[in-house]
Amino acid sequence: AQSVAQPEDQVNVAEGNPLTVKCTYSVSGNPYLFWYVQYPNRGLQFLLKYITGDNLVKGSYGFEAEFNKSQTSFHLKKPSALVSDSALYFCAVKETGAGSYQLTFGKGTKLSVIP
Amino acid sequence: DTGVSQDPRHKITKRGQNVTFRCDPISEHNRLYWYRQTLGQGPEFLTYFQNEAQLEKSRLLSDRFSAERPKGSFSTLEIQRTEQGDSAMYLCASSLAAGELFFGEGSRLTVL
Repeated sequence: AQSVAQPEDQVNVAEGNPLTVKCTYSVSGNPYLFWYVQYPNRGLQFLLKYITGDNLVKGSYGFEAEFNKSQTSFHLKKPSALVSDSALYFCAVKETGAGSYQLTFGKGTKLSVIP
Repeated sequence: DTGVSQDPRHKITKRGQNVTFRCDPISEHNRLYWYRQTLGQGPEFLTYFQNEAQLEKSRLLSDRFSAERPKGSFSTLEIQRTEQGDSAMYLCASSLAAGELFFGEGSRLTVL
């Protein structure tokens, strides 16, 4: 079975400071990992993904994430937060070769960027 | 707008009634997913279509739920004999590549 944990319900950061939103995962084999963002009254939007290769993945809006296999983590990062980054962020995992097509999402982390 | 569209956006119904939601995916996407999201939770997988074939269905999905995707285009999700626990946001997503889903804005169901 595959699962995702987002240990923080909320993260507050000052505008201009670096931000990190944490995610850990559990799969039996190798993972595909994803980050999605949900703005108020909007659908979820794809940010970035890790499939294979370089452990540092760059995505939309200046976000990046680092895959760490030994720690089973895929934390989302941005060097300098913007007020417009305030939203709900979801980490998701899919186990490769498991014969399942579903993504399993975490519960989400609310990011608030304070001006 | 060429994104994923869902209809209706909001549905209020009485317990025991049937409801149907429609999803129009991005036209060139052959993969279509239904998810359910409740407040404070992440999306929960319901079912997956590749073209017109329903290839996966969540084991948690009650047999009151049924989904179709005739001709591999739009999809419908029907809930029969609704219960208050069915109140949620029902999300549709489509994709070409595995995992890179494009979501609609959802259909919110309230069961009284």
